[in-house]
Amino acid sequence: AQSVTQLGSHVSVSEGALVLLRCNYSSSVPPYLFWYVQYPNQGLQLLLKYTSAATLVKGINGFEAEFKKSETSFHLTKPSAHMSDAAEYFCAVSPYGSSNTGKLIFGQGTTLQVKP
Amino acid sequence: NAGVTQTPKFQVLKTGQSMTLQCAQDMNHEYMSWYRQDPGMGLRLIHYSVGAGITDQGEVPNGYNVSRSTTEDFPLRLLSAAPSQTSVYFCASSALETQYFGPGTRLLVL
Repeated sequence: AQSVTQLGSHVSVSEGALVLLRCNYSSSVPPYLFWYVQYPNQGLQLLLKYTSAATLVKGINGFEAEFKKSETSFHLTKPSAHMSDAAEYFCAVSPYGSSNTGKLIFGQGTTLQVKP
Repeated sequence: NAGVTQTPKFQVLKTGQSMTLQCAQDMNHEYMSWYRQDPGMGLRLIHYSVGAGITDQGEVPNGYNVSRSTTEDFPLRLLSAAPSQTSVYFCASSALETQYFGPGTRLLVL
């Protein structure tokens, strides 16, 4: 069965520092992988997605993620944190290798705190 | 386009009451889903639909019913609310490998 594990429920960085949010997945088929961001009291917004094309995926707001099959990982990074990046981040995998089923499996979420 | 809309934004129920959470999308997406979000557990899939007239269960379907009579609407029904159903509920529609989420409904069951 597919699953997603996000390492670290809470990550704190200083403004301007590197952001690294970790995600490992388990999938019996080539996965589609996603990162979503949730700001307080809002819905989820797609940051980026991997759909078996380039392994380095660039998203919005300066975020990027690298798909590493050998490590079953899809970690999210940003070179320089901004105060506005403070939010909760979710990694998700789509079963059966396609997202067009209306189904996603989410990780537990990681809250990013950015300190001035 | 309004995207995905949900009503109400917030609801308080007593144990045993029933209610319907409304979800609508104006993007003509075939796929729609309902998730619940609980602290430390991420989002869990309740029910989903691959088109009008077709629904299926997700990870946590017990206590919830859905139907899909039109492409636009996908209501979620709580038949007899329980405190364990206190949560934030998100509806989503999807196309082209991307899910679009509504703003959520915060439900408190006393």
